[in-house]
Amino acid sequence: IQMTQSPSSLSASVGDSVTISCQASQVIKKNLNWFQQRPGKAPKLLIYDASKLETEVPSRFSGSGSGTHFTLSISSLQAEDIATYYCQQYESLPTFGQGTRLDIK
Amino acid sequence: QVRLVESGGGVVQPGKSLRLSCATSGFNFNSYAMYWVRQAPGKGLEWLAVISLEGTLKYYAESLKGRLAISRDNSNNTLFLHIDRLTSEDMATYYCAKDREEWRMPASYKFDFWGKGTLVAVSS
Repeated sequence: IQMTQSPSSLSASVGDSVTISCQASQVIKKNLNWFQQRPGKAPKLLIYDASKLETEVPSRFSGSGSGTHFTLSISSLQAEDIATYYCQQYESLPTFGQGTRLDIK
Repeated sequence: QVRLVESGGGVVQPGKSLRLSCATSGFNFNSYAMYWVRQAPGKGLEWLAVISLEGTLKYYAESLKGRLAISRDNSNNTLFLHIDRLTSEDMATYYCAKDREEWRMPASYKFDFWGKGTLVAVSS
């Protein structure tokens, strides 16, 4: 299953709301994770089952979608949110999207 | 707290094999599936392999099937990955990761804790 994220990169200001999209090449129900990877660090699980917030992840992160189209939203962007974000499906053996790089303006 | 520490990376000649290790602590290792994921320099994440909590079930990324062998030592809380016939395309940081759900068979494919990774370079 191929995962396609858009955009590939984006810039936003502190306090903005941001949305990242992830499209699956076939139906994956809600079998989707979102990860954050800060520069030079290991990935961190943010969202699982498409919309469930992982423990200790700030509530400004949210996930939605089912089937083939999913979104990760960040409300009130913070400087620490500078990172690359990946979606990953687990309807079949895992595959990741290509990543969305988020910069702060 | 949960800790995953990979080792075994370094410079390897093309065509050679390598065994990576992931030492774990802070959780009940033998009740969680475990994973390997890699990331080539400047590139995205690539899932490689999963092993069930008892080590009886193993699944691999299709593109590397035949060159990978995942294993675990539950008595020493350690995960392993053996990679055969290394090429320049195997140059990457290799991460081990833990399953989010205890006792899930074969796995939930939700990676809740990751190590810092070990870098593998392939060069003659």
